[in-house]
Amino acid sequence: GAVVSQHPSWVICKSGTSVKIECRSLDFQATTMFWYRQFPKQSLMLMATSNEGSKATYEQGVEKDKFLINHASLTLSTLTVTSAHPEDSSFYICSANDRRSTDTQYFGPGTRLTVL
Amino acid sequence: RKEVEQDPGPFNVPEGATVAFNCTYSNSASQSFFWYRQDCRKEPKLLMSVYSSGNEDGRFTAQLNRASQYISLLIRDSKLSDSATYLCVGAFRGGYNKLIFGAGTRLAVHP
Repeated sequence: GAVVSQHPSWVICKSGTSVKIECRSLDFQATTMFWYRQFPKQSLMLMATSNEGSKATYEQGVEKDKFLINHASLTLSTLTVTSAHPEDSSFYICSANDRRSTDTQYFGPGTRLTVL
Repeated sequence: RKEVEQDPGPFNVPEGATVAFNCTYSNSASQSFFWYRQDCRKEPKLLMSVYSSGNEDGRFTAQLNRASQYISLLIRDSKLSDSATYLCVGAFRGGYNKLIFGAGTRLAVHP
């Protein structure tokens, strides 16, 4: 089956630093990748939709200058949390649509971010 | 009102029990529905799609009622390994497949 990887799987950083999270589709090409955030005991919330070669589409309430998304190739999207603060601590999950079948999203294993 | 609403549970059931989860959605434009399973600190994994005609996969049965905007998941003969959070998900097609997740229903199956 289709595999999506994320790196790192967890990260601890100091307040004010920036953190980059990578999302890769390993065995398929992804025209669209999605970035979600999940706080404890809450649902996954879509942050933004990333299309290869174009600007990301952000959901209402998500600051595009704080959460920078780059989708430079059909197999890689990155999310950079800039000037991270403790309230940004969360579980960040990406997913990807296989360009051959846009009905299914394949999820990465997630990145747990802790900002001290 | 949330677009996808679920009873958060937890549902505590013994092994072998039958348990049913319900979900309602508010956006009638939702085109597809799914049940995902999420284990603690893991990513969600697709359990099954949901159709108006009903969909059965082994011990799991899902049903969609578009008139009532209601989705259900039935688990028969519960196993300890079924313990997880079950997420009701609606998909909106607008050039790409945007998923809206419910908050999830926790299931704990005990011996």
